[in-house]
Amino acid sequence: EAQVTQNPRYLITVTGKKLTVTCSQNMNHEYMSWYRQDPGLGLRQIYYSMNVEVTDKGDVPEGYKVSRKEKRNFPLILESPSPNQTSLYFCASGGLNVGYTFGSGTRLTVV
Amino acid sequence: ILNVEQSPQSLHVQEGDSTNFTCSFPSSNFYALHWYRWETAKSPEALFVMTLNGDEKKKGRISATLNTKEGYSYLYIKGSQPEDSATYLCAFDNFNKFYFGSGTKLNVKP
Repeated sequence: EAQVTQNPRYLITVTGKKLTVTCSQNMNHEYMSWYRQDPGLGLRQIYYSMNVEVTDKGDVPEGYKVSRKEKRNFPLILESPSPNQTSLYFCASGGLNVGYTFGSGTRLTVV
Repeated sequence: ILNVEQSPQSLHVQEGDSTNFTCSFPSSNFYALHWYRWETAKSPEALFVMTLNGDEKKKGRISATLNTKEGYSYLYIKGSQPEDSATYLCAFDNFNKFYFGSGTKLNVKP
């Protein structure tokens, strides 16, 4: 089954404790992207990747890092999480001709 | 930051009504416009990708049109059903950098 898999689904952590949210796709897509969803603000793009070792900043990259060492994986790294990064995070992959598939989301709470 | 606006913010219709909503986006340097359907507690589901001025796309009872010169797209739902209740998002694709509108929340009453 074609899918984008995010882990974990839920995470509660403390300020300053490094964490990684994983994203994996099995559709051989070159393009992958991370978003955050906050009430009243809509989805905002954090980072995107056009291919392996090619990443670029979205609208709200501050406080986040990404890497794309393999085509299927695009982890989101929070080196020192802060409470303002409490949000619902989505990973997506796809392309203009095939459309974009979103993962199930990761609800992160930073206390 | 590019401004993408959707209207109305929410809509309540009766089963069987036809409805439409609007997505406005910058009209310069157009690349693509995406529509998504987002049900509560699920993830956004792609409906349409539109790239050409005058594009019309259709999927069942849902269709969309695109006017890149004036910077708007319409999404139409014909004969709304309760299962159409969801938030409909548009996203302006600025050469792979995405800007989403806040969505139109549709509630279809049986």
